[in-house]
Amino acid sequence: EAGVTQFPSHSVIEKGQTVTLRCDPISGHDNLYWYRRVMGKEIKFLLHFVKESKQDESGMPNNRFLAERTGGTYSTLKVQPAELEDSGVYFCASSRQEEWGRAYEQYFGPGTRLTVT
Amino acid sequence: AQTVTQSQPEMSVQEAETVTLSCTYDTSESDYYLFWYKQPPSRQMILVIRQEAYKQQNATENRFSVNFQKAAKSFSLKISDSQLGDAAMYFCAYRSVTGTASKLTFGTGTRLQVTL
Repeated sequence: EAGVTQFPSHSVIEKGQTVTLRCDPISGHDNLYWYRRVMGKEIKFLLHFVKESKQDESGMPNNRFLAERTGGTYSTLKVQPAELEDSGVYFCASSRQEEWGRAYEQYFGPGTRLTVT
Repeated sequence: AQTVTQSQPEMSVQEAETVTLSCTYDTSESDYYLFWYKQPPSRQMILVIRQEAYKQQNATENRFSVNFQKAAKSFSLKISDSQLGDAAMYFCAYRSVTGTASKLTFGTGTRLQVTL
């Protein structure tokens, strides 16, 4: 079974430019999460999809961030326009849909390291 | 809102020795999940161990075990017989049980070095 994949692994862009990150979850996983870690700080939740619907987007920092999951498969996270403080590692995770109140493990991708200069 | 605190930014242990990583959390909920994740230098984060708060018994996975003190809101990870492959960032994480709040709340991480 293939794991969670993310593309690109690294991205260096200038302030004001646009970047799109992609996440391919494990096949069959309805839940998809985006997290971000700014250097030296904790990993912070951004948002959660259940299939193609946004279940929780309380962690999205502002309207420069747009996440989509068309068709309930892969997801993209677009930052437009990028600012210096957007630099960090963006992680994607996926999990099976919960059954009978049991929480399934979130499987993480390797992350995309975004540097805004 | 829940918070997770890891007060040890870095730890070091000799191969074959035992090390304990600390984690405390704050919550008003009575039932929840706690996790330890490991992120090796290759960056893929993997689950090490999980604990369900309603279970009094501490979780164990091979050389990894936890000391879960619910009243003290403490969740430490003990690694026995440390190996070079244990060198990584370790993150403690919290997850609510209630409703649809399945997001993880992480601590800042502890970098573990394993020396010969």
